[in-house]
Amino acid sequence: GAGVSQSPSNKVTEKGKDVELRCDPISGHTALYWYRQRLGQGLEFLIYFQGNSAPDKSGLPSDRFSAERTGESVSTLTIQRTQQEDSAVYLCASSLALGAANQPQHFGDGTRLSIL
Amino acid sequence: AQKVTQAQTEISVVEKEDVTLDCVYETRDTTYYLFWYKQPPSGELVFLIRRNSFDEQNEISGRYSWNFQKSTSSFNFTITASQVVDSAVYFCALSGMDSNYQLIWGAGTKLIIKP
Repeated sequence: GAGVSQSPSNKVTEKGKDVELRCDPISGHTALYWYRQRLGQGLEFLIYFQGNSAPDKSGLPSDRFSAERTGESVSTLTIQRTQQEDSAVYLCASSLALGAANQPQHFGDGTRLSIL
Repeated sequence: AQKVTQAQTEISVVEKEDVTLDCVYETRDTTYYLFWYKQPPSGELVFLIRRNSFDEQNEISGRYSWNFQKSTSSFNFTITASQVVDSAVYFCALSGMDSNYQLIWGAGTKLIIKP
C-alpha cells in the first residue's frame, strides 16, 4: 500500500478488556511511532521504534500499555485492562531513518478507541 | 528543553480572508527542524512543510506561505485567500538533537473558515 495502514479504524470495548491495535507502516520506513490524541487535544507521544534498536517507551502512560514491532514491519499496540480514560484516537506514523535527514512522519488514519 | 507554543487555540475567519497561524519555539540546538501538519475533520494528519534551521528563506506554495524568523524563534504559517477546505487543526512541531530528533508538538490551532 502507499500509506500507513491502521486497523481497526474503530474499536468499542468494555472497561477492563484488553485491546490490540495494529499499524502497517510504509514499506522501507525504519522508524515507527505511536501517538494518542484525545478529543480536541494535541498529539501525545507514546512509543517509538527505530530499526532493530531498543524502542523508546518513555511516553507510555502506564504498564498497561505495551507495543511490539517485528523488524521493520507491522507494529501492535496493546492496552490491557482498559479504562475509560484510554478512550482516544491512536495514531501511528512512520518515516525514513532519523538522524540528519530528519524525514517527515507520515500518519495513518488512526484507530478510534471507545471504552464503555 | 524544547517547546512549541501555538498560542491561538481557535481562529475563525470568513472565506477569502488571509489568516496567519503563529508558532513560537524554544530549543538549545543549533541545528533543528520545524514542521507544519494539517489535520482536517476527517482526522488524518497531513505533512505540509519541513524547514531546517539553516534555511531562513520564506517559502510559498500556492496559497500557503511560511515565515521563519530565528531572531524571534517563530515559524508562522499564512493562508492567503482562505477557503472552506482549509478548515482544520494545524500543528507546528520541532525536532532536534535535544529531543533525540523526536517531534515536539504544539497544541494545535483550530482554523474555521466560514463561507
